[in-house]
Amino acid sequence: SQTIHQWPATLVQPVGSPLSLECTVEGTSNPNLYWYRQAAGRGLQLLFYSIGIDQISSEVPQNLSASRPQDRQFILSSKKLLLSDSGFYLCASRDRGAYYEQYFGPGTRLTVT
Amino acid sequence: SQQGEEDPQALSIQEGENATMNCSYKTSINNLQWYRQNSGRGLVHLILIRSNEREKHSGRLRVTLDTSKKSSSLLITASRAADTASYFCAPQNSGNTGKLIFGQGTTLQVKP
Repeated sequence: SQTIHQWPATLVQPVGSPLSLECTVEGTSNPNLYWYRQAAGRGLQLLFYSIGIDQISSEVPQNLSASRPQDRQFILSSKKLLLSDSGFYLCASRDRGAYYEQYFGPGTRLTVT
Repeated sequence: SQQGEEDPQALSIQEGENATMNCSYKTSINNLQWYRQNSGRGLVHLILIRSNEREKHSGRLRVTLDTSKKSSSLLITASRAADTASYFCAPQNSGNTGKLIFGQGTTLQVKP
């Protein structure tokens, strides 16, 4: 099975500051990768997904961006954080094919002040 | 991709009782997946049921799928306090992206 690493675990950033969250994957190669955000007490919102290096699709227009510089590395960034960017960010990975589950990382708790 | 909608939104039961959660979706699927999320943690995959399957078991978990009604249910038998968590269903369409659109989930509380 896969292991997903995310860091940092928690982050407190002021409004207007930049953001970089990193996700790395072990135990597979050439996976599909996903970034989700979860507001307090809510479901998960899919932000970005990637089916290959430099192949990123955005699901929700916002001030966030994603990059995949290596096969098993997925980065979520922002140039200027907004208060509404606060939330729990989860990275997930999935093998290619029709019948595979997603493996989730432990998440990053972001508070924008 | 489409979103699953879980029902009820919250469920509170006593340890040892069974818990049933339901999921509805709108269009045809390739498979449907159930996940569990403990508070403040990432999601953990529980069961994947294919569109040509009607029932699947894993330990104390039983998932059913009715494609004619576009619905699924998750049954947890003999619940334990450790089953306290949020449960999400995720219908998956065909295609190579593997995208899952999660609903709001069912929050299950199992009282000892």
